[in-house]
Amino acid sequence: AQTVTQSQPEMSVQEAETVTLSCTYDTSENNYYLFWYKQPPSRQMILVIRQEAYKQQNATENRFSVNFQKAAKSFSLKISDSQLGDTAMYFCAFRRGGTSYGKLTFGQGTILTVHP
Amino acid sequence: GAVVSQHPSWVICKSGTSVKIECRSLDFQATTMFWYRQFPKQSLMLMATSNEGSKATYEQGVEKDKFLINHASLTLSTLTVTSAHPEDSSFYICSARDPSGRAPYEQYFGPGTRLTVT
Repeated sequence: AQTVTQSQPEMSVQEAETVTLSCTYDTSENNYYLFWYKQPPSRQMILVIRQEAYKQQNATENRFSVNFQKAAKSFSLKISDSQLGDTAMYFCAFRRGGTSYGKLTFGQGTILTVHP
Repeated sequence: GAVVSQHPSWVICKSGTSVKIECRSLDFQATTMFWYRQFPKQSLMLMATSNEGSKATYEQGVEKDKFLINHASLTLSTLTVTSAHPEDSSFYICSARDPSGRAPYEQYFGPGTRLTVT
């Protein structure tokens, strides 16, 4: 079974600064996907960024980027130029590849607060 | 594209009654939908995987007779909480896959339903 661990229950950052959220996972699979989701106070889950395990290049989406270390099974999220709207709970998630309806395994979540 | 809706967004029911929550894929056909439960400031816990036209697959520890899931069409899955009790109060979230979409491995989430049992 896969496990996903987020060791930072809460983080805070000043507006315009950079913050990194940590995530580690454990799997024996070689084909899988990793995701970061954001859940703002509205509680709508929003996909922030995805990474296919077979891709060596780290994914980037505007101010969001990941540091994917496959051998270390680490998948951290870097948020640059933090904005007040980034305040949310962030979840790291794992999905096996090669299955028709693979389920997501979520980490415990990290509550991020951006201060003005 | 890839929008998922849930109805109702918020429901209060009396202990012992049943309540139904709907999850719809608005602009795609979802062969697979997922139901999650979330307590405040906690992670999402997968309850069951729902495949159109077949029985749902429940996660270990989830009572099948209490949480009835029906996926009768490619755009609708329902979760019925039977004989609800205060401990069933929670936030329920559904998600759906778009198998014909650009990223068929992704899940698209509904906005969630807050259930309060009094």
